[in-house]
Amino acid sequence: QQPVQSPQAVILREGEDAVINCSSSKALYSVHWYRQKHGEAPVFLMILLKGGEQKGHDKISASFNEKKQQSSLYLTASQLSYSGTYFCGTAPTFFQKLVFGTGTRLLVSP
Amino acid sequence: NAGVTQTPKFRVLKTGQSMTLLCAQDMNHEYMYWYRQDPGMGLRLIHYSVGEGTTAKGEVPDGYNVSRLKKQNFLLGLESAAPSQTSVYFCASLGTEAFFGQGTRLTVV
Repeated sequence: QQPVQSPQAVILREGEDAVINCSSSKALYSVHWYRQKHGEAPVFLMILLKGGEQKGHDKISASFNEKKQQSSLYLTASQLSYSGTYFCGTAPTFFQKLVFGTGTRLLVSP
Repeated sequence: NAGVTQTPKFRVLKTGQSMTLLCAQDMNHEYMYWYRQDPGMGLRLIHYSVGEGTTAKGEVPDGYNVSRLKKQNFLLGLESAAPSQTSVYFCASLGTEAFFGQGTRLTVV
């Protein structure tokens, strides 16, 4: 069963912040985040493996609340290069049956 | 280091024809996946493998078969193509990081 992402779409001005949420109806072992630009393959951003784990990469970070079966991706001081579709992937056990949400389209304008 | 390579990149099939998509990875990863991507549907898992000789069904396995005879290769087969299988197909390989192939755009007419 696919995780649910919200919002479905976000429009930002350069420098603004955004939060993308991902929730699952099943218990999770891991949450993955990817970004896909139009016509390209998804690109890995980060994996969160433990409940409560937070990770950061440049100005993009994420948290994982195992009890609530949800994860959030935080984009701070957005840049034009952040535009794309963001997908969360979830797995109930270590990397097995990795399923993705329907995506959140992010557009950053100058 | 090529990462994950999918072949072919584009293909047009007639209804009822068969074909095989090849995914090859050179990172010695155990886990490999096949997804299809349709507008508004995100990435849907077709089949996956947790190691050489293993396969398992994903969310949308009907009409597809897979094989993982060698660790580096994961094959996706369509026995009798249908227009509903028109899609972009992505293969992924997971180690400590995840890598996707560049995709195969398949059109069934």
